[in-house]
Amino acid sequence: DQQVKQNSPSLSVQEGRISILNCDYTNSMFDYFLWYKKYPAEGPTFLISISSIKDKNEDGRFTVFLNKSAKHLSLHIVPSQPGDSAVYFCAASATQGGSEKLVFGKGTKLTVNP
Amino acid sequence: GAGVSQSPSNKVTEKGKDVELRCDPISGHTALYWYRQSLGQGLEFLIYFQGNSAPDKSGLPSDRFSAERTGGSVSTLTIQRTQQEDSAVYLCASSLAGSSKNTDTQYFGPGTRLTVL
Repeated sequence: DQQVKQNSPSLSVQEGRISILNCDYTNSMFDYFLWYKKYPAEGPTFLISISSIKDKNEDGRFTVFLNKSAKHLSLHIVPSQPGDSAVYFCAASATQGGSEKLVFGKGTKLTVNP
Repeated sequence: GAGVSQSPSNKVTEKGKDVELRCDPISGHTALYWYRQSLGQGLEFLIYFQGNSAPDKSGLPSDRFSAERTGGSVSTLTIQRTQQEDSAVYLCASSLAGSSKNTDTQYFGPGTRLTVL
């Protein structure tokens, strides 16, 4: 049973436009959400996070939105750049349990075309 | 380099053999995690070490998998009697894991690609 779902395996956008990557979760105990970016042959690198007490967090070109009632979050990248082309993983954790293990989605491969 | 390092970067083994994968976390990070990513899948949690506490082994898929963390630093993930379904990229991450329950950022190593023939 997948607790974190990224239903779009791939997304292609034009340089300069907005990229929107979506993520849904099922576990209501999740209270912290993160996006990681992964290039081939490298480990994932942290991009941005959001606590469940917020509905938006912004960092430069990257904004994460959280809709708790819908158990949905999204990552917006604007303007998109070719260097943003990578696999993006959504992750969640339930920190009340003490163990801060992350539950990951399967990832969305973003391609930004020049 | 101050990042998480893992060795080997690639490992090819025969079914039934044992393998050991190594992780060197970022200096000073008290928390260490192992994940694996099978083809076409997301990262799957395996095990979590935090300081001197008993590790959270809830993600280990079978008793063929074990991990140690010696001296609160380096960790070794051991897979005994490897099977073809163990083929995956094994990723290690570490974090500061301070007193705040707001998850500390986990920093990942480059991974070890394990292929079981």
